[in-house]
Amino acid sequence: DIQMTQSPSSLSASVGDRVTITCQASQDISNYLNWYQQKPGKAPKLLIYDASNLETGVPSRFSGSGSGTDFTFTISSLQPEDIATYYCQQYDNLLLTFGPGTKVDIK
Amino acid sequence: QVQLVESGGGLVKPGGSLRLSCAASGFTFSDYYMSWIRQAPGKGLEWVSYISSSGSTIYYADSVKGRFTISRDNAKNSLYLQMNSLRAEDTAVYYCARDKGTVTTLDYWGQGTLVTVSS
Repeated sequence: DIQMTQSPSSLSASVGDRVTITCQASQDISNYLNWYQQKPGKAPKLLIYDASNLETGVPSRFSGSGSGTDFTFTISSLQPEDIATYYCQQYDNLLLTFGPGTKVDIK
Repeated sequence: QVQLVESGGGLVKPGGSLRLSCAASGFTFSDYYMSWIRQAPGKGLEWVSYISSSGSTIYYADSVKGRFTISRDNAKNSLYLQMNSLRAEDTAVYYCARDKGTVTTLDYWGQGTLVTVSS
């Protein structure tokens, strides 16, 4: 099975900062990588699909890139409402695997 | 608008059973693969099971294989998860989610239902 790692596991940043999270797959998954946001007590929300496609209605400050085994998720200008845990998720060979998550809060 | 509403969670003793339901609305339920995902308290997301749009293809995580059964009733726009031989480690919030492809991307999630396995 494909394993996913994320770094960092948590971060603190100031409002307006650029925030970057990385996700690594244990083997090549092409662009089969999604990013979700989960706010406390809420269900996850899809932000980015197929590594770099912004889901409808998601603010453009969120972006994703990468292919193969290394992926990046970026918030270009952190806003107070972005406080959440962010998960990457791969899909390959009819299996889904989530990364361990990155908790983002405001400094 | 797309809505997924889970129900059926609660407190159950180890070894007991519980059946979760997910009522779908706002889309053609029979066109979509569906999944169950769980989240233990304070932990990350774990994909549990999926079922194809027709119900003919099913998959389970190793952690629940042989104990959980996923099913769907397209006439009732409903997804189910029958959970047997429950263990303390099955304690989690259980989410149902719609897949926008074929086991690819979970684009809509329910609000979740809490299952607590404890004596």
